[in-house]
Amino acid sequence: DVKVTQSSRYLVKRTGEKVFLECVQDMDHENMFWYRQDPGLGLRLIYFSYDVKMKEKGDIPEGYSVSREKKERFSLILESASTNQTSMYLCASRTSETQYFGPGTRLLVL
Amino acid sequence: KNEVEQSPQNLTAQEGEFITINCSYSVGISALHWLQQHPGGGIVSLFMLSSGKKKHGRLIATINIQEKHSSLHITASHPRDSAVYICAVRTGNQFYFGTGTSLTVIP
Repeated sequence: DVKVTQSSRYLVKRTGEKVFLECVQDMDHENMFWYRQDPGLGLRLIYFSYDVKMKEKGDIPEGYSVSREKKERFSLILESASTNQTSMYLCASRTSETQYFGPGTRLLVL
Repeated sequence: KNEVEQSPQNLTAQEGEFITINCSYSVGISALHWLQQHPGGGIVSLFMLSSGKKKHGRLIATINIQEKHSSLHITASHPRDSAVYICAVRTGNQFYFGTGTSLTVIP
């Protein structure tokens, strides 16, 4: 079974803090994605990566950056957290046909 | 305008009822996915469809490519079916997601 893990299930941070969300997949997938999920808005793509050291902006990249130093690991970085970044963050890894999601990280920015 | 629209947004049913969730999309697709998200956040893939119909246990998914429409049916619903059901379409390398249907099945 494909496994996608995220470093934290719940996080509470203060405004202005730098936040790291880590995602690891164990199936040697090239494609990895970071989404945020908000009520009424569904899943929105923040950034994605098709290969190591490669990144592409998604629909809502502002306020975020990413890092993909190794194939299995894709990190989402909030350089200076703001309250409007309070959300559920979901990482996904995929083949050409199917996406596999991590359990999600609920981030609260106070 | 969203590329993927789902209805209803919220649905409450009595245990045992037959449930239908609808998904319409506006883009040309390679495949359509139905996803399930339980409280707590984890998302699992239920079906991937490019034509016709698929069945898995009490779940049935259908797609009409000409009408750009898919339905997810749950027969003999059970409280453990309570979850958010998300429709997603793949076009090329891109995925588009619906906003989800929140289903509550009452014992």
